[in-house]
This record gives sequence, structure tokens and C-alpha cells, in this order.
Amino acid sequence: KQEVTQIPAALSVPEGENLVLNCSFTDSAIYNLQWFRQDPGKGLTSLLLIQSSQREQTSGRLNASLDKSSGRSTLYIAASQPGDSATYLCAALTDKLIFGTGTRLQVFP
Amino acid sequence: DGGITQSPKYLFRKEGQNVTLSCEQNLNHDAMYWYRQDPGQGLRLIYYSQIVNDFQKGDIAEGYSVSREKKESFPLTVTSAQKNPTAFYLCASRRGGQAVSYEQYFGPGTRLTVT
Repeated sequence: KQEVTQIPAALSVPEGENLVLNCSFTDSAIYNLQWFRQDPGKGLTSLLLIQSSQREQTSGRLNASLDKSSGRSTLYIAASQPGDSATYLCAALTDKLIFGTGTRLQVFP
Repeated sequence: DGGITQSPKYLFRKEGQNVTLSCEQNLNHDAMYWYRQDPGQGLRLIYYSQIVNDFQKGDIAEGYSVSREKKESFPLTVTSAQKNPTAFYLCASRRGGQAVSYEQYFGPGTRLTVT
């Protein structure tokens, strides 16, 4: 049974820092891995999707990597801004999306 | 403007009443999903549908029912049999029907409170 874990559960950093959010999964037989952002009381916004055959995807200041053999994905956020404050969720797709519990990020000015 | 709409944003019901949550998409997506989100837990799959007039149970389907009579609509009914219905409900969709590897897109959610 697929399990997805995200570390750390919460992170507070000053503006401008580069940071890494971690996601691990137990079953490497995934189709893809998705990273989402969720603001309080809102739905999920898809940030990046990495297919199982890919190693990384980039969008603006965001870079996500995937290492299926070790069951890990990382989301790298460059030059963090207060507007990046949100909960970040990763989800691994096997026959369905399995979500981690998220990393709550606060970026302070 | 393409997207997924969920209504209402907030819903309050008395215990013992059934309630239906709406989900509509104009993305022409084949597959639609319902998830439940509780504090401190990941999203959990309630029901999903890969094609009109067909749907499957997810991990926590007990106490819920769905229908998929139209491609763009996937309403979720929370019945009185659901033991702990208070939660944030999220609807999602993706293209590709049974080709599961496409990106899922989410609606804004409905917060249901049952007292």
C-alpha cells in the first residue's frame, strides 16, 4: 500500500532564502508525482507534475525532482517570497493519487 | 473561463439530513473525483468516475453516494449514514478517461459542517 510522507511538517524562513521541501513514497511503481499548493480554506493549485520517466520539472522559481529508485521527490523554491506562504502537498499516482499531509510554509519579510 | 466550480462554499446541516455537494467542470475532462480533507490528514479519495454513467468507490465511500449522468457534473451526496461528515470536500477532474497519468485539477472546495 502506497504511503506518502512529507518532511518537514512546518517551515518558517525569512524572505529570500532558497528552500527544499521533501516528499517520500514507499511504492516506486508510480505513473507520476504531482506537487500542489493550498492556501488556507482554498482548493489545490497544481504546481508541477513529473512523469515517472522524467527526473525533474521546472516552473519559474520552482524546481521539482524525482528519484523513483529511492522513493523521493523534492520541491526546490528559489528566492522565497511572503506570497509563497501556503501548504505544499505532494501526491504520488499509482492507480489513484495518494497524498502526503503537507508542509506548511511561512515566509516572513 | 475554464475551470471547476463547487457550490456552495460553506454548507451547514443538521445531523440526520442528507446533503448534496455540487461539482461542475467545463474543461471537457473525462474523469472526475471527490476527496475529503481533514486537519492533519492527507486528502482521501471518496469516489471517482472515469466516464459518464460509471463510477467506482474510493477508500472511504461508506456513507456517500454519487452520480455521473453528464460529463461536466459529478454531484456528491453525504448521507445520514456517514458517521463523521464534517470536513472540507474537494472535487477534481482530469482528461484522459482511463489513462490515469494526466494531471488532476481541483475545485475551490466546499466546507461542510454538520451539527
